[in-house]
Amino acid sequence: GAGVSQTPSNKVTEKGKYVELRCDPISGHTALYWYRQSLGQGPEFLIYFQGTGAADDSGLPNDRFFAVRPEGSVSTLKIQRTERGDSAVYLCASSPWWGAEQYFGPGTRLTVT
Amino acid sequence: KNEVEQSPQNLTAQEGEFITINCSYSVGISALHWLQQHPGGGIVSLFMLSSGKKKHGRLIATINIQEKHSSLHITASHPRDSAVYICAATYSGGGADGLTFGKGTHLIIQP
Repeated sequence: GAGVSQTPSNKVTEKGKYVELRCDPISGHTALYWYRQSLGQGPEFLIYFQGTGAADDSGLPNDRFFAVRPEGSVSTLKIQRTERGDSAVYLCASSPWWGAEQYFGPGTRLTVT
Repeated sequence: KNEVEQSPQNLTAQEGEFITINCSYSVGISALHWLQQHPGGGIVSLFMLSSGKKKHGRLIATINIQEKHSSLHITASHPRDSAVYICAATYSGGGADGLTFGKGTHLIIQP
């Protein structure tokens, strides 16, 4: 079956612009996670959704970052007023329930110039 | 604070060698994960374990709950095993609900 997909695969934007990154999880997976991976580092947790609700957004670095999952399937990570420090690979993962094995998407490489 | 530490950060070995990557973590995990990431590629889950030992092909993962330590072993290593191996933990009862990751071990297997 289809795995986790993310679009776009690459995004280049100018400092100060708004971006949206999309994640399409495996069908039926209720848990969805966003992570961010900077060059040479391990990923860092951003936000976890259980169904439609953000059960844990403690990893979001500041209020420029926001994510939604309105129908409990596709999720969008939104970044306002992008900064060069936001440049990273944004990873999405899904699992059947919290605590189960996670399946990762290919990531979106965001570059802020 | 929930922490995951890996060693070594970098490892270069010859084809056929037995490889060990170590991971230590702080108290309170519900599961320990080993992940593989190829250059420019996505992350693939290799193992998820909470006790004992798991084996898949030439890969073996072990965990010692008392010592808060896990190891990933690769037997008869091959150049195609070259990748970054990441240890990650699911913490229960406080802290973030996502995985807490180590910094990864960059493994190169030379022919």
